[in-house]
Amino acid sequence: EPEVTQTPSHQVTQMGQEVILRCVPISNHLYFYWYRQILGQKVEFLVSFYNNEISEKSEIFDDQFSVERPDGSNFTLKIRSTKLEDSAMYFCASTGTEGNTIYFGEGSWLTVV
Amino acid sequence: AQSVTQLDSQVPVFEEAPVELRCNYSSSVSVYLFWYVQYPNQGLQLLLKYLSGSTLVESINGFEAEFNKSQTSFHLRKPSVHISDTAEYFCAVSERSGGYQKVTFGIGTKLQVIP
Repeated sequence: EPEVTQTPSHQVTQMGQEVILRCVPISNHLYFYWYRQILGQKVEFLVSFYNNEISEKSEIFDDQFSVERPDGSNFTLKIRSTKLEDSAMYFCASTGTEGNTIYFGEGSWLTVV
Repeated sequence: AQSVTQLDSQVPVFEEAPVELRCNYSSSVSVYLFWYVQYPNQGLQLLLKYLSGSTLVESINGFEAEFNKSQTSFHLRKPSVHISDTAEYFCAVSERSGGYQKVTFGIGTKLQVIP
């Protein structure tokens, strides 16, 4: 079965540093998403991306966050200047044109120290 | 706006006993419904989904969930749990909108199977 892949699986970074989380969505999918799960809390929507632009974003997705599809296969989430409260599991996801199931990656654990 | 309520944050149950994890949702439009499982230190795995048709859906490892439109519920059940079922279970709802899916998750229910 096709899958969404994410790298790195774990990253530790110092507060104030920039972080880029990478995702390879399923190849024929057109909609891409980032979700976040702070430890012990529920999974929250961050942003969706379609046709090379953001289609929707949540309140969490402030100016410190950006997304990009640089080369037609990767989908990246950048956090410009990390804060302690950015520590979380970040999930990438994608859907195809039939759109009835959203497929999640295994997640990237980000720890900000 | 859509929302999901999982009434139980933790459910302890003895091995081989039945279990029900409750989920209620609200939405003003037709929805897709999902249960995801998260094992310790792992990502989200799709357990089962309701898209349309039969209201009873089953997973390959013995879980089932029934969509009840009148009660806006999608409870997850298993007649006999195993130790390996210990995990956190998330109910999720997605409003239908062509290919675009915005999923809203419940807060999760931790299932602890006791030997």
